[in-house]
Amino acid sequence: GAGVSQSPSNKVTEKGKDVELRCDPISGHTALYWYRQSLGQGLEFLIYFQGNSAPDKSGLPSDRFSAERTGGSVSTLTIQRTQQEDSAVYLCASSLEGQGSDTQYFGPGTRLTVL
Amino acid sequence: AQSVTQLGSHVSVSEGALVLLRCNYSSSVPPYLFWYVQYPNQGLQLLLKYTSAATLVKGINGFEAEFKKSETSFHLTKPSAHMSDAAEYFCAVRRNTGGFKTIFGAGTRLFVKA
Repeated sequence: GAGVSQSPSNKVTEKGKDVELRCDPISGHTALYWYRQSLGQGLEFLIYFQGNSAPDKSGLPSDRFSAERTGGSVSTLTIQRTQQEDSAVYLCASSLEGQGSDTQYFGPGTRLTVL
Repeated sequence: AQSVTQLGSHVSVSEGALVLLRCNYSSSVPPYLFWYVQYPNQGLQLLLKYTSAATLVKGINGFEAEFKKSETSFHLTKPSAHMSDAAEYFCAVRRNTGGFKTIFGAGTRLFVKA
């Protein structure tokens, strides 16, 4: 079956522009996560969606970052007024039920470069 | 609050030698613990996970990890390294109650020498 897909795979933008990154989770997965992976660093949690519950936004680094999940499926991460420090690989993952022991299945990521 | 520390950003072993990647965690509640692997130009995939059943967990590709509560450790081992094991390995911790934010370590890059 299809895994988690993300688009675009690469995005180059100019400082100050807004960008939208898309994630399509595995069909039937109720939980969806966004992470950021900067060069030489681990994964930084950004936001977590579980079913119809309020998302856990505790990892969003600033109010320039927002995410939504429509219809319990596709998610979009939006970064407004991008800065050079936003350059990173943005990873999306999904899991079946959002239980603590769930395996997260990761997409290939979107590499964002802010010039 | 939870945290994960991976000791050694880079580990180099010879082919056939023991692989030991260290992970220590901090958690205020009993944790779930995970090891993920990221092969070059591929996405992250689960190697193994501890979910409070057996403390010795076996994963894919011959890897295993032992949960040691007294040492707050979850080190990853493999008896004999193979060239194909060269990758980046991430340890992660998650609460087992209320809120499932996952905290990842900074990663350890494993190099395997012929």
